[in-house]
Amino acid sequence: GAGVSQSPSNKVTEKGKDVELRCDPISGHTALYWYRQRLGQGLEFLIYFQGNSAPDKSGLPSDRFSAERTGESVSTLTIQRTQQEDSAVYLCASSFPYPPFFGPGTRLTVL
Amino acid sequence: EDKVVQSPLSLVVHEGDTVTLNCSYEVTNFRSLLWYKQEKKAPTFLFMLTSSGIEKKSGRLSSILDKKELSSILNITATQTGDSAIYLCAVVSGGSNYKLTFGKGTLLTVNP
Repeated sequence: GAGVSQSPSNKVTEKGKDVELRCDPISGHTALYWYRQRLGQGLEFLIYFQGNSAPDKSGLPSDRFSAERTGESVSTLTIQRTQQEDSAVYLCASSFPYPPFFGPGTRLTVL
Repeated sequence: EDKVVQSPLSLVVHEGDTVTLNCSYEVTNFRSLLWYKQEKKAPTFLFMLTSSGIEKKSGRLSSILDKKELSSILNITATQTGDSAIYLCAVVSGGSNYKLTFGKGTLLTVNP
């Protein structure tokens, strides 16, 4: 596709359930970022993938959060045992090398 | 810890006004500075400024990087209601594993 795509666009889940968010980067983009944006807040870095290098996971807020990326393609962000404070828009961006271009985001609501 | 600070946090102007948004940074191994416009969910890219490209202009928008002062400004002239958005500044820094650090953004409201 022409841009970064993310799915689902909206996700409502119950506290304690696991969720999986997907990001399809722009073809050829070796770098991929995940960010979280809570209502009225700035972008909070979660994780960064660059090619086959070890990912930078320094922004993951707890061990309930994990992310994978297969090669230079799709990435999935998994949140286990969701909590209400996980409610936010999760944004994915890809780049080669810069600037990063963002996807439309997934709005996660944890009830 | 890398830090990016934007000011003001919010701004309300009338159509036709000129605005200046500020971004200052403290990072290790600066690479480049990016400006984005966020209207709904996804930030859209505006400018990238580097040591070799410290000034950019596109239509009514322009941006300058001051490496000495570790800051950048984003100017919007003859503002329109469609310019209403959050403007985000981000700095790329680091060695082989580049980090991208965002400021909290400036909420610009342009009233008719």
